[in-house]
Parts: sequence; C-alpha cells; structure tokens
Amino acid sequence: AQSVTQLDSQVPVFEEAPVELRCNYSSSVSVYLFWYVQYPNQGLQLLLKYLSGSTLVKGINGFEAEFNKSQTSFHLRKPSVHISDTAEYFCAVSDRGGYNKLIFGAGTRLAVHP
Amino acid sequence: ETGVTQTPRHLVMGMTNKKSLKCEQHLGHNAMYWYKQSAKKPLELMFVYSLEERVENNSVPSRFSPECPNSSHLFLHLHTLQPEDSALYLCASSQEEVRLGSTEAFFGQGTRLTVV
Repeated sequence: AQSVTQLDSQVPVFEEAPVELRCNYSSSVSVYLFWYVQYPNQGLQLLLKYLSGSTLVKGINGFEAEFNKSQTSFHLRKPSVHISDTAEYFCAVSDRGGYNKLIFGAGTRLAVHP
Repeated sequence: ETGVTQTPRHLVMGMTNKKSLKCEQHLGHNAMYWYKQSAKKPLELMFVYSLEERVENNSVPSRFSPECPNSSHLFLHLHTLQPEDSALYLCASSQEEVRLGSTEAFFGQGTRLTVV
C-alpha cells in the first residue's frame, strides 16, 4: 500500500519570493509521482510528473520538483511566485504498470500575498 | 469540447431523492475514475473502470452506483444519500498502456453535491 504525506497544510509567502512545498511518500513498489494544482471551484490540473529518468522534473507555470529516492521525497519548488499561484497543491502517487489509481496527500494551501 | 466534462456543476438533493452525475471524456482514453473530495479529507478513489468494466470498488456504500455504458461516458447514480455524502465529486480519465500502466490522469471540474 502507498501513502503520501504533505508536511505543510498551509504555506503563506510574499509575491516574488521562492517557495517549496514538501511531499514524502511511502510505498513497497515502484511508483509514479505527481503534483496537481486546484484553483477554487475547479478540478485538478497536472503541474508535473515523475515517471523515470532525470530526477529533476520541470512542469507548467515555472514549477519544478525533485525526486529523491533515498528520502522518498518529491518536493515542489518555484523560484518566484505570483499572486495567481494561490491555490491548493496536491502530491500523489500511483502504481507503475497499473491503472492510474492515485493516492493523494492532504494538500497544501499556498497563499501568495502582495 | 475537449478534455473531461462533468455535469451538473452543482447539485442539491434531498436524502430521499435519486439523481445522477455525468462525466464525458473527449480524449480517447480507455479508463475512467470517480474520486470524492470532502472537506478536510484527502481525495479518495471510489471507482475505476477500464474498457467499460469495473476494476475497482473501494468499499463505497451501495447508495453510490456507477455505470460506464461506453469508454467515453461514466455516470454515478445517487440514491438515499446522507448529509455526510456532501462533497466535490471528480471524474478523471487516463490511457492505460500494457507494460507502462497509466502515466497521467485528466480531471473534470467536478460536481459540487450538497445533501440536505
């Protein structure tokens, strides 16, 4: 079985500051890793994914994440945030070779202030 | 239309009502999913359909009844719900490949359900 822990439920940050949203996972099998973003009253939009290969993954809207197998982490980073990045961010894992049965973390609410 | 479309976007129903949520995907995918997003709880997978066959049912109460008539459409039939069933119900689709599995899910905008 897999599980995902997002270490911060809320992250306040000022505009143009860097941000890191932390994610740790637990799994007995190899997994795919994802970050999704949810804006108010919207569904989930994929930011980026790690399937294999380079451990540094670049996504949309200037976000990137680094897969660290030894620490079982997949932290999301952005060097300079905008007001429009205010949203809920979800880390998720799924089995390789199976259906996309995503196991989600509880989410991190990113609040960007002017 | 493109992507994954869910209707209605908002639904209020009484505990004795019967209603259905609809999901349509225009991506040519072969797998579809229902997720439940409740306040203060992580997103939960409810059902998985692959090639119109249910392959997963995560201990969901029988008052939720899914239906997948073809690979593009997915329904969630609701009856005698409880107030605690109020949540955002999200539909997703993906393409499942032999050996690779499924590498990405695309989500609809969800149906906000309120049970009164």
